[in-house]
Amino acid sequence: EVQLVASGGGLVKPGGSLRLSCAASGFTYSSYSMNWVRQAPGKGLEWVSSVSSGSSWIYIADSVKGRFTISRDNAKNSLYLQMNSLTAEDTAVYYCVRDSPIADCFDSWGQGILVTVSS
Amino acid sequence: EIVLTQSPGTLSLSPGERATLSCRASQSVHSRYLAWYQQKPGQAPRLLIYTASSRATGIPDRFSGSGSGTDFTLTINRLEPEDFAVYYCQQYGGSPRTFGQGTKVEIK
Repeated sequence: EVQLVASGGGLVKPGGSLRLSCAASGFTYSSYSMNWVRQAPGKGLEWVSSVSSGSSWIYIADSVKGRFTISRDNAKNSLYLQMNSLTAEDTAVYYCVRDSPIADCFDSWGQGILVTVSS
Repeated sequence: EIVLTQSPGTLSLSPGERATLSCRASQSVHSRYLAWYQQKPGQAPRLLIYTASSRATGIPDRFSGSGSGTDFTLTINRLEPEDFAVYYCQQYGGSPRTFGQGTKVEIK
């Protein structure tokens, strides 16, 4: 069974930083591209960032470019999102998400972790 | 960026009825690279449909997708109680990958 367990969320002040982690299990992690997708309270879904299986390519949404960095460690079956210069608009549930092997859609989602940016 | 507009915003139906959800793209979606997700309160989204009409693993056949170009449809035949949820379309034919704003299917 695919499991994606995120951690590292919480309350942070505007301008602060946070690092999210996602522990993957139940599949060959090093073979899959991975993503972060977020959802502000009561709102829709927003893709944030993607990294290929071997980290050879990385994409990041314009809304977080220059502030967020995605990375992965295949030896540890882990995905990360370093978030700097946080603002209230970054308040959301952040999902760790696996790319489908047969299409560039999202076939497995973690439970999500809440990040709240507030003074 | 491809903007996806879903309609209606809310659909009020009874169990056993058919739901028809629309997703319109601001430009043609390459190779029908459009997916549908279901999200229940407090849960993560779940992939239902990919490439416009292919059901994901374990998805009941009462869920079907159709469409091409800029117009796509998700149909849910004979709504079951567990189908009342929010549904999102998402395109992956262009960069960045974008989502629609969602359609809520609620019990009438």
